[in-house]
Amino acid sequence: GAVVSQHPSWVICKSGTSVKIECRSLDFQATTMFWYRQFPKQSLMLMATSNEGSKATYEQGVEKDKFLINHASLTLSTLTVTSAHPEDSSFYICSATGQYGYTFGSGTRLTVV
Amino acid sequence: RKEVEQDPGPFNVPEGATVAFNCTYSNSASQSFFWYRQDCRKEPKLLMSVYSSGNEDGRFTAQLNRASQYISLLIRDSKLSDSATYLCVVNSNQAGTALIFGKGTTLSVSS
Repeated sequence: GAVVSQHPSWVICKSGTSVKIECRSLDFQATTMFWYRQFPKQSLMLMATSNEGSKATYEQGVEKDKFLINHASLTLSTLTVTSAHPEDSSFYICSATGQYGYTFGSGTRLTVV
Repeated sequence: RKEVEQDPGPFNVPEGATVAFNCTYSNSASQSFFWYRQDCRKEPKLLMSVYSSGNEDGRFTAQLNRASQYISLLIRDSKLSDSATYLCVVNSNQAGTALIFGKGTTLSVSS
């Protein structure tokens, strides 16, 4: 079946630093990648949609200069949280679509201290 | 108004109980409907798709009422392992559109 590998699974960083999260589709081509974040006791909120080779489309209220998304190939998409602050602490998760429907990564728990 | 609304619970039930979760969605253009399960600090996992005619998978039964924009999930004979958060999810089916998640309903099954 389809697998999306997401790394790191958790990260603790200092305020003001940047963190990169990677999602790789291991056995299929991910034509579209969705990035979500989930605060405690909240739903998964869509942050952005990216298609391979084009700029990501961000949801209202999500700063594109803060959350940099790269989708340079059909098997790799990255989300970089730039100048992270404690309020960015959250669970970040990717979801890829391809021939197998929607496949989720295992998520990244980011804690900014 | 949120796109997908669910009662957050928690629902605390004993083993063997029957429990029902409800969900409403606001976008009448929604075409696909799902229930996902999410365990603490994990990614959501597809529990079942929901069809207009209603569908059953073992102890789980899902119903869809398009006219009322209402989705339900029934769990019979609850097990301890059913303890999780159940997410109601919709999608418009247009190419490249994301799944839209409800906030989830938390179920705790106790012995």
